[in-house]
Amino acid sequence: DSGVTQTPKHLITATGQRVTLRCSPRSGDLSVYWYQQSLDQGLQFLIQYYNGEERAKGNILERFSAQQFPDLHSELNLSSLELGDSALYFCASSPPGQGLAGELFFGEGSRLTVL
Amino acid sequence: AQKVTQAQTEISVVEKEDVTLDCVYETRDTTYYLFWYKQPPSGELVFLIRRNSFDEQNEISGRYSWNFQKSTSSFNFTITASQVVDSAVYFCALSEAHTGGFKTIFGAGTRLFVKA
Repeated sequence: DSGVTQTPKHLITATGQRVTLRCSPRSGDLSVYWYQQSLDQGLQFLIQYYNGEERAKGNILERFSAQQFPDLHSELNLSSLELGDSALYFCASSPPGQGLAGELFFGEGSRLTVL
Repeated sequence: AQKVTQAQTEISVVEKEDVTLDCVYETRDTTYYLFWYKQPPSGELVFLIRRNSFDEQNEISGRYSWNFQKSTSSFNFTITASQVVDSAVYFCALSEAHTGGFKTIFGAGTRLFVKA
């Protein structure tokens, strides 16, 4: 158990809908990262938050947004869903003070299926 | 541009064979970290090792060893005497600074099958 909690574990929805994925980082970790894992794209970095502030952005679509709240949990919002958004979405956190060196602790992922 | 290439998509070995997973990276930064992660069939990614760009010492941990060569931008991972429990997808990753934060980019992964 990594200590990172993601909900829901599975989600099935229809095209055009909006969903919210939730992540609670490990106790004490200030950074939260979101990744998308699909069969054809591998693990794609979406976005990083540190203590409530957005710090780094990857190939995140405009239809996707994220935020980190004062209690450090994070939410990833996916809207106007398309079939191609079906994927496993991982949240990860890293220990404070380690910067680049910080290993990522991953949650179990949220599997999104768009029908 | 930052890039991690794992050219081997799938490798299949018989138990007790040694196997090497290749990783080649590209970066313009002089300070960066390299990582290996394991994703077993259960799905959760697990950290295995980290290496910083200034430390080219190879490392051995039990049956696992890592060879970092800056001259060839490679960070290869060898499993000695493989076991069925080693069956998983293995990801190489590169972390570098990015606009005030940190970005860890993963390779496409190598799926390792170890047959009994």
